[in-house]
Amino acid sequence: QKEVEQNSGPLSVPEGAIASLNCTYSDRGSQSFFWYRQYSGKSPELIMFIYSNGDKEDGRFTAQLNKASQYVSLLIRDSQPSDSATYLCAVNANPTTDSWGKLQFGAGTQVVVTP
Amino acid sequence: EAQVTQNPRYLITVTGKKLTVTCSQNMNHEYMSWYRQDPGLGLRQIYYSMNVEVTDKGDVPEGYKVSRKEKRNFPLILESPSPNQTSLYFCASMEGSTDTQYFGPGTRLTVL
Repeated sequence: QKEVEQNSGPLSVPEGAIASLNCTYSDRGSQSFFWYRQYSGKSPELIMFIYSNGDKEDGRFTAQLNKASQYVSLLIRDSQPSDSATYLCAVNANPTTDSWGKLQFGAGTQVVVTP
Repeated sequence: EAQVTQNPRYLITVTGKKLTVTCSQNMNHEYMSWYRQDPGLGLRQIYYSMNVEVTDKGDVPEGYKVSRKEKRNFPLILESPSPNQTSLYFCASMEGSTDTQYFGPGTRLTVL
């Protein structure tokens, strides 16, 4: 079982619509959660991080975390063609464990925003 | 400008020829890491370093070496590269207060 799982997509979203991406993780002790965006051939760039249950909003992006259900999601509102990329979910372990700092990445969800 | 730099960006080499990929960060981060990215497998951690002279294996360390003699530098060494090490490599450094990792631009390595 993969530690961090995402649907690979592609997720096709009309321009202006909401893109919804999901991620589940297996380590119940995970403490911090990240969404990265990666354009083809480029390095991952941080979109958001979230530590607490609930929603966190930043511009057109909203991250949602539910630790009891072990999932984290990302909503992209008013999707633009420039949002077309692969979105990586990453999870960091509890700082008190040996795995702290060892980010576990999902394989990524490809998003395609169509005009 | 806060950044992580890697060199070279592209490298084509032959099996068995030792190579080093350099990584440097100017953010005074203690934690640094190397990842490789392969289609369908996502990002996998090779080695990481919690501080100067402190390094440990990640998920896929076989065939790689690292060193951390200075805080800002974390080179990745392939003593005897093989074709299965053809990949896209990323160096990252982590801000301790937020656990946020910042990635370098990547090095695309081809081993023939």
